[in-house]
Amino acid sequence: EAGVAQSPRYKIIEKRQSVAFWCNPISGHATLYWYQQILGQGPKLLIQFQNNGVVDDSQLPKDRFSAERLKGVDSTLKIQPAKLEDSAVYLCASSLTFNQPQHFGDGTRLSIL
Amino acid sequence: AQSVSQHNHHVILSEAASLELGCNYSYGGTVNLFWYVQYPGQHLQLLLKYFSGDPLVKGIKGFEAEFIKSKFSFNLRKPSVQWSDTAEYFCAVTGNNDMRFGAGTRLTVKP
Repeated sequence: EAGVAQSPRYKIIEKRQSVAFWCNPISGHATLYWYQQILGQGPKLLIQFQNNGVVDDSQLPKDRFSAERLKGVDSTLKIQPAKLEDSAVYLCASSLTFNQPQHFGDGTRLSIL
Repeated sequence: AQSVSQHNHHVILSEAASLELGCNYSYGGTVNLFWYVQYPGQHLQLLLKYFSGDPLVKGIKGFEAEFIKSKFSFNLRKPSVQWSDTAEYFCAVTGNNDMRFGAGTRLTVKP
């Protein structure tokens, strides 16, 4: 089966600019996750979707981060405006449903100058 | 707040040595437990999981983990590591509709 697809792989922007990441989960996976992984740390869950509804966004900095999953398939994560501390790898994962093993994409490495 | 702790930040072993990586969590109630591995240059992938039943679970590549409910632990073990096991290992816990990863343990196996 095809894995979780993410783009772009790398992105470099200046602080205060905006950026968007795209994720295409494995076909049939109802649950989609966005994580932020800062160097030396484990993945931190930003937002979790079940189909096109948000299940958990308690750790999403909503003043600057937004995410959507229209039609319950693809998802985009946006940061506007970016801050230096947003430099991280942004991972997308999907699973058949919540609590099931997750399949991860390769991630987007974001560098803020 | 619910949390997952991996006490070993970096472990260095020689080939054929035994491995045990610690994972403790602070959730109450029912949990599902996972170990994920990230080999150099690759994405995170599932190593093994525990949902219920036998607390000793076996995963891929000879890894196993034991769920000890009384200790809130889910330690990862392998009797004899290989150079190809060099990777970063993450413990993850789901419970109460919450999903948390530990900070990870970097394993370096010397040939």
